Amino acid sequence: DIQMTQSPSTLSAPVGDRVTITCRASQTISSRLAWYQQKPGKAPKLLIYKASSLESGVPSRFSGSGSGTEFTLTISSLQPDDFATYYCQQYNTYSTFGQGTKVEIK
Amino acid sequence: EVQLVESGGGLVQPGRSLRLSCTASGFTFGDYEMSWFRQAPGKGLEWVSFIRSKAYGWTTEYAASVQGRFTISRDDSKSVAYLQMNSLRTEDTAVYYCTRDRLQWLPDYWGQGTLVTVSS
Repeated sequence: DIQMTQSPSTLSAPVGDRVTITCRASQTISSRLAWYQQKPGKAPKLLIYKASSLESGVPSRFSGSGSGTEFTLTISSLQPDDFATYYCQQYNTYSTFGQGTKVEIK
Repeated sequence: EVQLVESGGGLVQPGRSLRLSCTASGFTFGDYEMSWFRQAPGKGLEWVSFIRSKAYGWTTEYAASVQGRFTISRDDSKSVAYLQMNSLRTEDTAVYYCTRDRLQWLPDYWGQGTLVTVSS
């Protein structure tokens, strides 16, 4: 199985900050990497697919980069609606998720 | 508007069975692969099962943790996907989500989830 490791597990930042979340795959997954946002009690929402493609309707402050085994999700200017848990997911071989990064208000 | 509505969750004893349903609307159901994911209370996301479209023979895949106990199926005439869960274990307790897959194993729409609690 492909293991996905996210860091940090928790991130505290004020509104307006630029934040970056990292995801590392245990083996190469090309660009088959997605990012999801999940709020408490809600289903995950697709933000980014193919490592850097922005899903329709997702604000442009979200961006993704990377290929192979190293990937990042960046929020250019953190907004109140962005406080949530973020998951990376590889879909190269079956599907596995990172453990999640909780973004909290500082 | 794409909608996925899960049903069939509830409290069940270990060793018993449960069948989840996912009713889809707002898209041509038969053209898409469908999956089930789950999330144990306070935990992360886990892929459970996947069924391809008719074009790919309705073939199925399962996570090792449920292989041999769970069966995914679909009725394209009714736009419904199912997850038959047998020999349930306490570790199967989770919110189960149905998803539409844009690509194999890449869900783009999720249902609201249905809670399955396995407990005596």
